[in-house]
Amino acid sequence: NAGVTQTPKFQVLKTGQSMTLQCAQDMNHNSMYWYRQDPGMGLRLIYYSASEGTTDKGEVPNGYNVSRLNKREFSLRLESAAPSQTSVYFCATEEAAGGQKLFFGSGTQLSVL
Amino acid sequence: GENVEQHPSTLSVQEGDSAVIKCTYSDSASNYFPWYKQELGKGPQLIIDIRSNVGEKKDQRIAVTLNKTAKHFSLHITETQPEDSAVYFCAAASPGTYKYIFGTGTRLKVLA
Repeated sequence: NAGVTQTPKFQVLKTGQSMTLQCAQDMNHNSMYWYRQDPGMGLRLIYYSASEGTTDKGEVPNGYNVSRLNKREFSLRLESAAPSQTSVYFCATEEAAGGQKLFFGSGTQLSVL
Repeated sequence: GENVEQHPSTLSVQEGDSAVIKCTYSDSASNYFPWYKQELGKGPQLIIDIRSNVGEKKDQRIAVTLNKTAKHFSLHITETQPEDSAVYFCAAASPGTYKYIFGTGTRLKVLA
């Protein structure tokens, strides 16, 4: 039982390049989230998906797109990476929206040069 | 907008001593208050949580207290051990929404 799996663990991009961060869960949870973590700023929500087929913007969505491919998978895409997107990205799941426990993946450390 | 303030940002204690981390939230509708522990290179992991209908909850060496009137909640770790060293985050969430507001984290160092 892997829980929440994120790939890749590390990535270095040049400004303007694109990439997709993958997240898969085997917990049968409905809600999935993408957060970014920057020093001194805690976790900030980028996008979330309350259920398969739905996605909504969070606090810091600019420069990102997401796809909820099915109940298990939720991907985050950077179309044209910028240095300001250098961060650690975490995927999380929750059984249902609001007031339930979040389960986090181990993160993707992204550097944009 | 809504926010959660967390203090202190760093905390060093001697092994065996107690550690207290405090958070203040602004959204009166918040009713769920989890605490997460993040070890180096890993994702945050829930260690304890409390809902607004309860004033205190304890799990072995860890306890959380909530004062809804003052919009304060705190994490208490007793008999600290070196493996308690990590970054701790508090959060506040409103019912039926996606909105978890996280504090900025406290780096706890337990000195042997």
